[in-house]
Amino acid sequence: DAKTTQPPSMDCAEGRAANLPCNHSTISGNEYVYWYRQIHSQGPQYIIHGLKNNETNEMASLIITEDRKSSTLILPHATLRDTAVYYCIVRVLQGAQKLVFGQGTRLTINP
Amino acid sequence: EAEVAQSPRYKITEKSQAVAFWCDPISGHATLYWYRQILGQGPELLVQFQDESVVDDSQLPKDRFSAERLKGVDSTLKIQPAELGDSAMYLCASSLAGYYNEQFFGPGTRLTVL
Repeated sequence: DAKTTQPPSMDCAEGRAANLPCNHSTISGNEYVYWYRQIHSQGPQYIIHGLKNNETNEMASLIITEDRKSSTLILPHATLRDTAVYYCIVRVLQGAQKLVFGQGTRLTINP
Repeated sequence: EAEVAQSPRYKITEKSQAVAFWCDPISGHATLYWYRQILGQGPELLVQFQDESVVDDSQLPKDRFSAERLKGVDSTLKIQPAELGDSAMYLCASSLAGYYNEQFFGPGTRLTVL
């Protein structure tokens, strides 16, 4: 699985959009970008995933660059409950199904 | 909403003792995973089951760790003997079989080895 690079920490004001970047310059054509988050003292939670098109669900939006070497997770209206560690993971959809977590980005939402 | 159950939530033990963790996945989920998360790091896969069979245990320290899923439902992870370096969060996750699998994680067991 390709490696990802994320900033170790970010801050965002409550009510504003939180934009979390992820670099995955060695991503292969059949690898997807997944985002999970882990709120303190809880297990990780799936947020969203995509291949090359932008994706949106009730939690967030995922913007993947045209060359697929980077992506951005957008939380449109951050709340205090969005304070968590966010993990960007790149993996194939088939075959080995394990998730390879990096260090993630610690996002703090400030009131 | 169905959830992955884990017990105990917290465990304190002394080194050289045996410990065991239990996981009950979401009903119908054929794939079960055990991850270990050291403080400040992301989770790392220890073992993966497909039904009752081990699919991947390449990162499981087999000299002291064992895992089983006898009937393909719930699972137990055991450490014997525990070492100071085993202090970590042990997370269980489950997913449906098939090529796409959103993994659902349990709350974890926080192990402290003294």
